Amino acid sequence: RKEVEQDPGPFNVPEGATVAFNCTYSNSASQSFFWYRQDCRKEPKLLMSVYSSGNEDGRFTAQLNRASQYISLLIRDSKLSDSATYLCVGFISGGYNKLIFGAGTRLAVHP
Amino acid sequence: GAGVSQTPSNKVTEKGKYVELRCDPISGHTALYWYRQSLGQGPEFLIYFQGTGAADDSGLPNDRFFAVRPEGSVSTLKIQRTERGDSAVYLCASSLTATGANVLTFGAGSRLTVL
Repeated sequence: RKEVEQDPGPFNVPEGATVAFNCTYSNSASQSFFWYRQDCRKEPKLLMSVYSSGNEDGRFTAQLNRASQYISLLIRDSKLSDSATYLCVGFISGGYNKLIFGAGTRLAVHP
Repeated sequence: GAGVSQTPSNKVTEKGKYVELRCDPISGHTALYWYRQSLGQGPEFLIYFQGTGAADDSGLPNDRFFAVRPEGSVSTLKIQRTERGDSAVYLCASSLTATGANVLTFGAGSRLTVL
């Protein structure tokens, strides 16, 4: 089983739609979580960190449920420019100190 | 520099050849990471350095892969006797320190194609 697993995608949605991505992690030692965005043939870039209390950044909301080992990303009012691959990421510390990436979920927003 | 710089951006080589990929991290960043990304997959951890030492090399797939960071800044990933399965984008990232509170900044990657 992969340490970080995501919805396979792709998600094809019209502009203005609300879309949610899910992610589960298997290593309970994972301490921090992030969502990274990766455009086609580009490097990953941090979208937002994920906190247990949930956090929002404009149209983006991230949630973490440690009991269920589950992370989500909600995008409201989708824009064409949101089209990208969204990578769920867990940080494992305690001697490891590395980010473990999921395979990514591809989002395509169409007019 | 302002960002993480990787060279070459593209490398095409023949099976069995030796390859070096270079990473120049953000100035002052003590932690440096190498990841490998195959088509349709997320980045796969290879190795990370804290300063000059390899703190975790558990992701290196086999002994053909080796990485160094002799002065705690620039790092080189070395691949011996390349195989077709080594074809991927090799991503380097750096962060201020190796803790979860710090964001990784990635370079644009080195795309390796082994014929």
